[in-house]
Amino acid sequence: AQSVTQPDIHITVSEGASLELRCNYSYGATPYLFWYVQSPGQGLQLLLKYFSGDTLVQGIKGFEAEFKRSQSSFNLRKPSVHWSDAAEYFCAVGNFGNEKLTFGTGTRLTIIP
Amino acid sequence: SQTIHQWPATLVQPVGSPLSLECTVEGTSNPNLYWYRQAAGRGLQLLFYSVGIGQISSEVPQNLSASRPQDRQFILSSKKLLLSDSGFYLCAWKSQRTSWGEQYFGPGTRLTVT
Repeated sequence: AQSVTQPDIHITVSEGASLELRCNYSYGATPYLFWYVQSPGQGLQLLLKYFSGDTLVQGIKGFEAEFKRSQSSFNLRKPSVHWSDAAEYFCAVGNFGNEKLTFGTGTRLTIIP
Repeated sequence: SQTIHQWPATLVQPVGSPLSLECTVEGTSNPNLYWYRQAAGRGLQLLFYSVGIGQISSEVPQNLSASRPQDRQFILSSKKLLLSDSGFYLCAWKSQRTSWGEQYFGPGTRLTVT
């Protein structure tokens, strides 16, 4: 069975600093990977996705993520965070023929001035 | 473009009362539909999903049920709510054109059972 681990429950960074949120997955074949963001009281918004090809994918709001098969990781990065990036971030994995996604438990991001 | 709606946005219900949450999708046809629940401070728990009218898969045994009376309508119900049913309920859809596609989420319904 596939699984997703987000080892950091809560991360605090200063506005303008760089950000990296970790995501590790467990799945035998090539996974399809996603990052979502959730602001308080809102639904989830898709930030970016990886299906195949270039392992560095660009998303909305200046985010990017890199798929590293050897490390079973799909970490989310942003060079300079803004106060509006404070939210909960979820990594998710899917695979061919499976109608469901498996979500990580999320990482809450706090931005300090 | 596609849009997903959920209502109500907020609901406060007493223990033992019935529940009906509705989700509708516009701008697409024959989508996969999903119900998730988020308990306070926790991740997403998949409750039900549907690949077509009348086709419901249950992921977690509980006192909730789901129905899909129309192609783009997904309803979450309960006959008698429990305190543990409190949470944030999210509906999502996915295109059936690809089996690996991303899911798109609605704005959610905050349910408080008192």
